[in-house]
Amino acid sequence: AQKVTQAQTEISVVEKEDVTLDCVYETRDTTYYLFWYKQPPSGELVFLIRRNSFDEQNEISGRYSWNFQKSTSSFNFTITASQVVDSAVYFCALSEPIQGGSEKLVFGKGTKLTVNP
Amino acid sequence: DGGITQSPKYLFRKEGQNVTLSCEQNLNHDAMYWYRQDPGQGLRLIYYSQIVNDFQKGDIAEGYSVSREKKESFPLTVTSAQKNPTAFYLCASSRGGRVLEQYFGPGTRLTVT
Repeated sequence: AQKVTQAQTEISVVEKEDVTLDCVYETRDTTYYLFWYKQPPSGELVFLIRRNSFDEQNEISGRYSWNFQKSTSSFNFTITASQVVDSAVYFCALSEPIQGGSEKLVFGKGTKLTVNP
Repeated sequence: DGGITQSPKYLFRKEGQNVTLSCEQNLNHDAMYWYRQDPGQGLRLIYYSQIVNDFQKGDIAEGYSVSREKKESFPLTVTSAQKNPTAFYLCASSRGGRVLEQYFGPGTRLTVT
């Protein structure tokens, strides 16, 4: 079965520091999707990125960047020049096939990021 | 504005009572999902539905039931058979089929005493 490991339970940084959140996954599928979600204190999960298994190009979106390495089964997330508003729990997720040809998401346990002013 | 609504935000119930959590979406998505989140844990799938009048059990369906009579609505009932119902419940939807990004509602925090 699919598995997602986020080894960092909590990270605390000072504003403007760069921070990397690690995500390691296990799957036997050759085609799969990886996701990152942000959960601010309000509780709602906010979609950040989706990456398919055939696209190993790194992606940058503003202060956010993602490093996908199939060789190490990792999909790490870096926030550059962190801000207080980045404080949240971040979840990495992996797609898993389910009945009917659809797929579900398997989530890691999340990394709580606190950015201090 | 399109989105997913869950009500209420906070819900309190006595042990032994069934309780129904509401989830409505106006995104015209075919697939809907219910997840449970416990402190320090990731999300675990309870039930999902890919089309109206059809739904399947997820990883932790025991003690829960759902219905999907309308495309927009996917209510979750937490029954008295659920041994540890206190949790944060999140509803999500997606366009269906292959997993595209799932959009989540604001969640309902259920406390059973």
